[in-house]
Amino acid sequence: QQQVKQSPQSLIVQKGGISIINCAYENTAFDYFPWYQQFPGKGPALLIAIRPDVSEKKEGRFTISFNKSAKQFSLHIMDSQPGDSATYFCAVHSGAGSYQLTFGKGTKLSVIP
Amino acid sequence: GAGVSQTPSNKVTEKGKYVELRCDPISGHTALYWYRQSLGQGPEFLIYFQGTGAADDSGLPNDRFFAVRPEGSVSTLKIQRTERGDSAVYLCASSPLAGGHNEQFFGPGTRLTVL
Repeated sequence: QQQVKQSPQSLIVQKGGISIINCAYENTAFDYFPWYQQFPGKGPALLIAIRPDVSEKKEGRFTISFNKSAKQFSLHIMDSQPGDSATYFCAVHSGAGSYQLTFGKGTKLSVIP
Repeated sequence: GAGVSQTPSNKVTEKGKYVELRCDPISGHTALYWYRQSLGQGPEFLIYFQGTGAADDSGLPNDRFFAVRPEGSVSTLKIQRTERGDSAVYLCASSPLAGGHNEQFFGPGTRLTVL
């Protein structure tokens, strides 16, 4: 059973546009929601993360929107740049005795000039 | 400072062989994790170490997989009697403290190909 569902699978955005990636989860015990960025041949790197006590977090061009009642969270990349072209993974974590991250299947973002 | 390093970067083996994959975490990080990433998928949790002990090995797919961290630093993931389905990128991550919401820093991975 997939604990976190991520969409879309791939995304093409023009330079300067907004990239939006969505994730949905079922387990209300999850209490930490990070987004990771992965370039080819590299390991994932933490981009931004949010806890469920806030509805939005912004860091530079990257924003997480969190909807606790809908059990959904999304990543918005403003003013998308070709250097943002990568695969993005949402993840969930339950702090209740669990230390593992559970990842979505990923979204391959291509930002075209 | 140096990040998480993994060796080898690529490993090609034949079905039925034994392989060892090594992870050097960031110095001072007490928590270490192994994940497996199949093509087109997100990383899947395998095992978590706190210090020298495996605190959670619930993600290991079967008893052919085993991992150790004898001195609380370097870790080795061992796979016996490899199968073609074991082909994937094996990722190691470390974090400064145990559990909770501490950021996990990932290495570049070892790409394992079982022929």
